[in-house]
Amino acid sequence: EPEVTQTPSHQVTQMGQEVILRCVPISNHLYFYWYRQILGQKVEFLVSFYNNEISEKSEIFDDQFSVERPDGSNFTLKIRSTKLEDSAMYFCASSSGGSPLHFGNGTRLTVT
Amino acid sequence: KQEVTQIPAALSVPEGENLVLNCSFTDSAIYNLQWFRQDPGKGLTSLLLIQSSQREQTSGRLNASLDKSSGRSTLYIAASQPGDSATYLCAVRRSSDSWGKLQFGAGTQVVVTP
Repeated sequence: EPEVTQTPSHQVTQMGQEVILRCVPISNHLYFYWYRQILGQKVEFLVSFYNNEISEKSEIFDDQFSVERPDGSNFTLKIRSTKLEDSAMYFCASSSGGSPLHFGNGTRLTVT
Repeated sequence: KQEVTQIPAALSVPEGENLVLNCSFTDSAIYNLQWFRQDPGKGLTSLLLIQSSQREQTSGRLNASLDKSSGRSTLYIAASQPGDSATYLCAVRRSSDSWGKLQFGAGTQVVVTP
């Protein structure tokens, strides 16, 4: 069964550094999402992306965050200047629209 | 604002027993509700998707019901097995939100003992 893949599985970075989290959605899906889960907290929506633009974003998704689909297969989340509170598990998801979301296994981001 | 609550937070049952997991939401104007399974260190696996017009969905040993007017959904897992041990999350999509913008509950952590 096709799946969403995320790399790396774990990323450690220093506060203030830029990080890029990468995702390869399911190939025929058109809708892409980023969610995050801070340890011990609920899974939270960050952003949805369709037709090469952001469809919707949460209040968490401020100017420090950006998303991009640089080619036909990858979908990335960039955090420009990481803060300690950005430490979380970041999940990428995709859907074909009208279908359940398919999630990747996540990237654990640790900001020191 | 939509609040999604799952009770209990944790549940331990012997193998073979039926599991009943509850999810409640405060705003009944939902488009659909999904149940997910999360294994430690892993992503979320979609189990069942119920549209707001539906009362229930079934897949194998899993059955999910939806009572939109009372803001509740229940996930039943029949004849539990140790492999069912995981955290189960429910998530709702409000009618006013775009597809894929889900609001999650905190989950119920399930342990099935052999």
